[in-house]
Amino acid sequence: NAGVTQTPKFRVLKTGQSMTLLCAQDMNHEYMYWYRQDPGMGLRLIHYSVGEGTTAKGEVPDGYNVSRLKKQNFLLGLESAAPSQTSVYFCASSTGQAVLGANVLTFGAGSRLTVL
Amino acid sequence: SQKIEQNSEALNIQEGKTATLTCNYTNYSPAYLQWYRQDPGRGPVFLLLIRENEKEKRKERLKVTFDTTLKQSLFHITASQPEDSATYLCALDGGSARQLTFGSGTQLTVLP
Repeated sequence: NAGVTQTPKFRVLKTGQSMTLLCAQDMNHEYMYWYRQDPGMGLRLIHYSVGEGTTAKGEVPDGYNVSRLKKQNFLLGLESAAPSQTSVYFCASSTGQAVLGANVLTFGAGSRLTVL
Repeated sequence: SQKIEQNSEALNIQEGKTATLTCNYTNYSPAYLQWYRQDPGRGPVFLLLIRENEKEKRKERLKVTFDTTLKQSLFHITASQPEDSATYLCALDGGSARQLTFGSGTQLTVLP
């Protein structure tokens, strides 16, 4: 069982370039999330989705776009990369239901992005 | 806005001792508080959670307490081992909001 798979694992971009990070989950989870993790800042929510075809903004959505065309996939796009977007990006998913009475996340291994 | 703080960025303890990590929060009343473990180069992994009406929760060598009056959770690892070395994250869960707010984590090193 793969769980949550992120591609690519590493990427270096030049300022102004665009790219897409792909997240795939095989657990039939309804909810999916994109976080970024920076030293001393913790995990910050970029965008999330509560179901196929839906997306919503999180805490730090500027400069990013997302799409959830299929239930198992959640794409994070950077249209014009900036050095401030250098970070480690994590995708996560959850059932979105009251399993254990809480929203427990399963994370991918992360994608390290460097913008020069 | 809600704020969550983990008391220290790094904690070193001797093998066999009990590690205690602190998570404090303000401007929020979470329905649950979750704890995750993160190893270098990997994503966080869920460990356990505690509900607002629970005082204490245990799982093997792990124990979590939750004091909604103090707005604080304590995470204990008893009989710590070098394999427990990792970064531990706490997260506030509103229950119905379907979003988690994470702390920045405490890096625990258990010295042999």
